[in-house]
Amino acid sequence: GQNIDQPTEMTATEGAIVQINCTYQTSGFNGLFWYQQHAGEAPTFLSYNVLDGLEEKGRFSSFLSRSKGYSYLLLKELQMKDSASYLCAVRAPLNDYKLSFGAGTTVTVRA
Amino acid sequence: DAGVTQSPTHLIKTRGQQVTLRCSPKSGHDTVSWYQQALGQGPQFIFQYYEEEERQRGNFPDRFSGHQFPNYSSELNVNALLLGDSALYLCASSSWTSGNTGELFFGEGSRLTVL
Repeated sequence: GQNIDQPTEMTATEGAIVQINCTYQTSGFNGLFWYQQHAGEAPTFLSYNVLDGLEEKGRFSSFLSRSKGYSYLLLKELQMKDSASYLCAVRAPLNDYKLSFGAGTTVTVRA
Repeated sequence: DAGVTQSPTHLIKTRGQQVTLRCSPKSGHDTVSWYQQALGQGPQFIFQYYEEEERQRGNFPDRFSGHQFPNYSSELNVNALLLGDSALYLCASSSWTSGNTGELFFGEGSRLTVL
C-alpha cells in the first residue's frame, strides 16, 4: 500500500517563500507528482520527479530524494493567487497506473 | 481545445438510489481515470479505463462500476447509494502515447450529495 504524509495547513506572506514537505512509504516507486487545487476547482499538474534532485519551473520547484522517501514543493515570490491546496501524489511500480494522493496542504497567502 | 468535461456538476440523491456520472476526455487522450475526493481529503483512485476495458481498480466496492465508449468518453455508475458516497467525483484523462509521465488532466468534477 501507499502512505503519503504532508502538512495540513501552511500560512505565508505575499512575496515570501513556502516549502511544502511530503513523505511517502510505498511498495515500489515510479514517480512523484505535485498538483495545485483551488477551492471548487479541478487539480492542475505542477511538477513531476522520478530521479533524485531539483526540478525548477518558474516560481515553483520540486525536489525528490528516493532513498529518504521525501519530496518538497517550493513556492517562491508568493502571490495571493497561490492560495490553494497542494497535493502530493505517488505512482508505484510500472504497470500500476493509479496515482496515490496525500490529503493535501492548504496554503494561505496573506498580504 | 476542450479540456476534460464532466456532467452533471452538482446532483442530490437519496440513499439507495443509483447515479450515473459522465466524462469526456481531453482531445487526443485515450485513457480515463475516476477519483473520489471527500471534503478535506486527497483524491482516491476508483478505476481506470483504456481501450474500453477496466485496466486497474482501486479499493472500492462493486457498487461502483464504469464504462468507456469507443469515442473514449466514460461513465461512472454508483448503485445503492450510501451517505458516505457524498463526495466530489473527478474524472482525469491522459494519453499513454505521450510517455509514462503520469500527467493527468482533471475535469471540474461532479459534486454528489446523498441524503
